[in-house]
Amino acid sequence: DQQVKQNSPSLSVQEGRISILNCDYTNSMFDYFLWYKKYPAEGPTFLISISSIKDKNEDGRFTVFLNKSAKHLSLHIVPSQPGDSAVYFCAASGGSGSARQLTFGSGTQLTVLP
Amino acid sequence: SQTIHQWPATLVQPVGSPLSLECTVEGTSNPNLYWYRQAAGRGLQLLFYSVGIGQISSEVPQNLSASRPQDRQFILSSKKLLLSDSGFYLCAWVSKGNYGYTFGSGTRLTVV
Repeated sequence: DQQVKQNSPSLSVQEGRISILNCDYTNSMFDYFLWYKKYPAEGPTFLISISSIKDKNEDGRFTVFLNKSAKHLSLHIVPSQPGDSAVYFCAASGGSGSARQLTFGSGTQLTVLP
Repeated sequence: SQTIHQWPATLVQPVGSPLSLECTVEGTSNPNLYWYRQAAGRGLQLLFYSVGIGQISSEVPQNLSASRPQDRQFILSSKKLLLSDSGFYLCAWVSKGNYGYTFGSGTRLTVV
């Protein structure tokens, strides 16, 4: 049972336009959400996060929106650049203390076309 | 500063051979440690996690095992590899109480 879902395996966007990556979750106990970016043959790197007490977090070109009632979050990249081409993983954190761990979605391959 | 080392970067092993992948973390103590696998075209699957020396939790039953002989060392092993064990293996750590994992650079394992 996938608790974190990224229903779009791929997305292509023109350079300079907005990229919107979506993520849905089912577990209402998740209270912290993160986005990771992964290039081929490398480990994922942290991009941006949001606590469940907020609905928006912005960091430069990257903004994450959280809709708790819909159990949905999205990552907006504006403007998109060719270097943004990578796989983006949504992750959700739940549990308490040492049992806290991340559950990842299956990823979305973003391709930014020059 | 904290760093995570994972090796080897690539590995080609025959079916039935043993496996040992090592991960070490520097600059922190008592971290939570994780092993993930990314199969071709798939997401990140949690295999094992450890909250302390000798404490291993398995998320997916399989022919892999993990050990944590030292605080900042995490080892993924197999006695006999299967073709289905091929994939990209990632080690990660997080300080207790924090949320975001830091990942190693990964090991590409191909079982032939």
